[in-house]
Amino acid sequence: AQSVTQLDSHVSVSEGTPVLLRCNYSSSYSPSLFWYVQHPNKGLQLLLKYTSAATLVKGINGFEAEFKKSETSFHLTKPSAHMSDAAEYFCVAYGQNFVFGPGTRLSVLP
Amino acid sequence: DTAVSQTPKYLVTQMGNDKSIKCEQNLGHDTMYWYKQDSKKFLKIMFSYNNKELIINETVPNRFSPKSPDKAHLNLHINSLELGDSAVYFCASSQAPSGLASRTDTQYFGPGTRLTVL
Repeated sequence: AQSVTQLDSHVSVSEGTPVLLRCNYSSSYSPSLFWYVQHPNKGLQLLLKYTSAATLVKGINGFEAEFKKSETSFHLTKPSAHMSDAAEYFCVAYGQNFVFGPGTRLSVLP
Repeated sequence: DTAVSQTPKYLVTQMGNDKSIKCEQNLGHDTMYWYKQDSKKFLKIMFSYNNKELIINETVPNRFSPKSPDKAHLNLHINSLELGDSAVYFCASSQAPSGLASRTDTQYFGPGTRLTVL
């Protein structure tokens, strides 16, 4: 059975500093991996996805993620946080089904 | 134009009532989904429909019954509502039929319906 772990339930950074949101997955085979963002009272929006092509994936709004099979990780990064990045972030794996991680709330301090 | 829309946005009702949430997508997608997001923001898939046919039916009480009159609509009917049904319900759609092609699919989510059962 596949599962997705997001190691931090809450991450707080200052505006202009780097962002790192961690995601690990477990699966018997290489799944497709996604990061979605949910702003308050909104639906989820795709940031980026990995589908067995390039291991470094670039997404919208300056976010990127690197697939590391040896570490079963797909961490999300951004070089410089913006106030508008404050939201809930979900790591998602698709093997036979879509499985969502528990989410990481990102706070950006002025 | 809204890609995936849900109505109503908010739904407050008493225990024991029956209610429906409607979902429509104008993206021409073949697959639609219902998710439940609990108070801790945890998202869990409930159902997946491909071209009006049920593909995924996770462990959901049979009080929940999805209905797909056509591939652009997937409505969720809930009988005998319970306190634990209070949550935000999200509808989503993706382009390809379920199967290997779905591994690459982007899901497009509706804005959610906040259900409160009193």
